This record gives sequence, C-alpha cells and structure tokens, in this order.
Amino acid sequence: AQKVTQAQTEISVVEKEDVTLDCVYETRDTTYYLFWYKQPPSGELVFLIRRNSFDEQNEISGRYSWNFQKSTSSFNFTITASQVVDSAVYFCALSPYSGGGADGLTFGKGTHLIIQP
Amino acid sequence: DADVTQTPRNRITKTGKRIMLECSQTKGHDRMYWYRQDPGLGLRLIYYSFDVKDINKGEISDGYSVSRQAQAKFSLSLESAIPNQTALYFCATLTDNYGYTFGSGTRLTVV
Repeated sequence: AQKVTQAQTEISVVEKEDVTLDCVYETRDTTYYLFWYKQPPSGELVFLIRRNSFDEQNEISGRYSWNFQKSTSSFNFTITASQVVDSAVYFCALSPYSGGGADGLTFGKGTHLIIQP
Repeated sequence: DADVTQTPRNRITKTGKRIMLECSQTKGHDRMYWYRQDPGLGLRLIYYSFDVKDINKGEISDGYSVSRQAQAKFSLSLESAIPNQTALYFCATLTDNYGYTFGSGTRLTVV
C-alpha cells in the first residue's frame, strides 16, 4: 500500500520569509512518480511538479524548489521569499510508475500555508 | 475552454435522493478519474476508467457508481445520497505525458 504523509497541517509565515513544506512517502514500488499540487482558496487544483523516482536531481522553478531524497523517502517543497498569493493548501501525491502511473494518485492530507502581509 | 469540465459546480440535495455528477474532457485522453476531497483528509480515489469498457474501483467506492458513456464523458452517481457524502468532488484525466489534469470541482452538500 502507498502512503503520503504531510505532517504540517498548517504553517503561517510573514511575507518574504522562506518556507518549506514536508512530504514523506511510503511505497513498495521501486519506481514511482511524485507530485505537488496547489489548491488556492478558489478551490481548483494547480499542478506544480511531477518527479520520477529515478531522477534525484533537485529542481528549481522561480521561487519554488523541490528537494527529492530517495534515501529518506522525502520530497520537500520550498518557497523562497513567500508572497501573499502563495497562500493555499498544498498537496503532495504519489503514483506507481508502472502503467504510466495510471492507477491514480495517493494524496497526502495537505498543508495549509498562510502568508501574512 | 477547460480541458476537463465538471457539472454542476455546486449542488445541494436531500438525503436519499439520487444524484449524478458529470465530467467531460476535450483532449481525447483514455483514462479518467473521480476523487473526493474532505477537509483535512486530502483527496481520495473513488473510481477510475481506462476506457469505456474498463471501470475500476478506487479506495472509497462504496455508495458510488460510475458510467463511462463515451471516451469524453465519465459520470459519478450517488444512488441514495447521505450526509457524509458531503464533499468536494474532482474529476481528472491522465494526460499523454503522465500528468493529471483536474476539473474545477463539484461542491456537493447532502442535507
């Protein structure tokens, strides 16, 4: 069985601070995909990143960066110089690699990020 | 137009009523999914379909049924709605590059 744990239920920081959202996963699959999604107050799910388990390079996209560590089964997400518009619920998710990940996603419970002006 | 469209966006229904949530997609993807989101629980998979003849149960299929009427359409039904089915429901497709595209969600309230 697969499991994704986002231990931080809610994080509140002041604008311009850096913030890291933690994600720890469990899977018996040797290859898999990891995802991050953003859910702003409007409710839609916005895709942020997908990472293959055999690609352990960290990734940076603007103010966003992701640290994938297979040894600790973690896929953490950092926002640098946070902005009020970053306020949202963030979900980490996992799918098997076999079949192109077609069996659906296993989500964590989400981290509610509040950026105070 | 959105790649994945869900209707209705909001719905209030009474306990015991049958209700159908509809999902349509414009990209011709074979694989479609229904998820349910409850506050503090994340999203959980209800059903998924690989094509019109292939329907699979997800983690929480009890109390739900689905119909894949065509490649582009995947409907979720609650045969007899109950209050604990009050939730935000999302439809999704699996894209060609193995990402998932989600609809805007249907907020269902069962009173």
